[in-house]
Amino acid sequence: GAVVSQHPSWVICKSGTSVKIECRSLDFQATTMFWYRQFPKQSLMLMATSNEGSKATYEQGVEKDKFLINHASLTLSTLTVTSAHPEDSSFYICSARLSNSNQPQHFGDGTRLSIL
Amino acid sequence: AQSVTQPDIHITVSEGASLELRCNYSYGATPYLFWYVQSPGQGLQLLLKYFSGDTLVQGIKGFEAEFKRSQSSFNLRKPSVHWSDAAEYFCAVGARGYQKVTFGTGTKLQVIP
Repeated sequence: GAVVSQHPSWVICKSGTSVKIECRSLDFQATTMFWYRQFPKQSLMLMATSNEGSKATYEQGVEKDKFLINHASLTLSTLTVTSAHPEDSSFYICSARLSNSNQPQHFGDGTRLSIL
Repeated sequence: AQSVTQPDIHITVSEGASLELRCNYSYGATPYLFWYVQSPGQGLQLLLKYFSGDTLVQGIKGFEAEFKRSQSSFNLRKPSVHWSDAAEYFCAVGARGYQKVTFGTGTKLQVIP
């Protein structure tokens, strides 16, 4: 149980385009989902906390207009990187937590984003 | 604010040898503690977690960790390492009733024959 699916797993696109990444909880309802960014050989940096039906909470230094987060249902959150540039290239990982419980986060397999 | 320190960036052990990965945390109360493992190019898999109760926690793949409040530590151990254990290991701390989890910088484990 507690499977989180992230799609796509790898995307390459041209500078200036927008890219959408999906995060789905397959067998549980996730009130809260989290989006992380991981640079090579570094730890995960929390970008934002996504709560179903409300606006996401962004960490300091993360541009909310650049990284659009939508959490329209209890099983789906999306991250859209708008007008992507090479410096946005990174590994993006989402996680989801069971609703109303102090349970650990379960992670997707990540999305490797490469901007040319 | 909560924080996690993993003092060892890289560790090499021989297959069959024992393993201990260190983790120290900073948090004002009793935290939630986690160990995750990440294989290259993949997401994170939960190995084990500590919420309360027995301070020695058993996890998957033969791993265990011990919560020591006096030392603010949550070290990960395995008695006999397998080649498939080679990966990066992240310790994490979360507050009770938590939303955010803070990750350490990770320890990369290399296993040699």
